[in-house]
Amino acid sequence: GQQVMQIPQYQHVQEGEDFTTYCNSSTTLSNIQWYKQRPGGHPVFLIQLVKSGEVKKQKRLTFQFGEAKKNSSLHITATQTTDVGTYFCAGRPTGANNLFFGTGTRLTVIP
Amino acid sequence: NAGVMQNPRHLVRRRGQEARLRCSPMKGHSHVYWYRQLPEEGLKFMVYLQKENIIDESGMPKERFSAEFPKEGPSILRIQQVVRGDSAAYFCASSLGTSHTYEQYFGPGTRLTVT
Repeated sequence: GQQVMQIPQYQHVQEGEDFTTYCNSSTTLSNIQWYKQRPGGHPVFLIQLVKSGEVKKQKRLTFQFGEAKKNSSLHITATQTTDVGTYFCAGRPTGANNLFFGTGTRLTVIP
Repeated sequence: NAGVMQNPRHLVRRRGQEARLRCSPMKGHSHVYWYRQLPEEGLKFMVYLQKENIIDESGMPKERFSAEFPKEGPSILRIQQVVRGDSAAYFCASSLGTSHTYEQYFGPGTRLTVT
C-alpha cells in the first residue's frame, strides 16, 4: 500500500543549528504539502509543492520537491525555539483522492 | 472568519458506549476529512466527505465506525461500542476543493479517552 515515510523520526538541535527532514514516497506524487504541529496542537499548513524539482522558501524554511516527484525535504536554517514541533509531509499519489501523511519528524530545539 | 470547529474537545467514554464527534468546516468549505492520531504517531486518514456524500472511506474501519456530512449541520464521526484502542486524537480538516489543489485547515481535534 501507499506509504509516505519521513526521517528522522526525532531530531534534537541546539538553537542556531540547521535542521532537515526528508520525506519519501513509494509512488509518484501529484503534489506534496507540509504541515507543522506544535505540541498539543493541531496541524497547520505551511506550503504546497507541485512541480518536479520545485524549490520554495519561507524566511528560514526551504522546501524542495524531488525531480521524480517521490521525495521532498524541509530545511530550517538557524533554528529558533519557536520552530519546536512535529513537521509532517503529506503527499497525494497520482490518481488518488486523498493525502497520505508522513510519519512526521519531531523537532526539539535546545536553547 | 471562524476556523474549523470541533466538539467536544475532550470526550471520555466507557468501553461499549458510543462516541459522537462533530466537525463544522470553515465557512465556504464543502470538503471534510477525518484523521486519527495516536500518541507520538502521525496522522492516519480515515474518511473524506463532501456534502451528503462519502468520497473515500478507505481508511476507516469497516465495523463500528461511520461518518456523515449532511446537507445542513456539522460532519459527524460516530464510533459505536468503543474499545480502549479507539483512544486517540481525532482531527477534522476542511478544504475549499479537493486536497490536491487546496490546503487543508485542521480543527483543534477531539481527544477521545476510552476507560
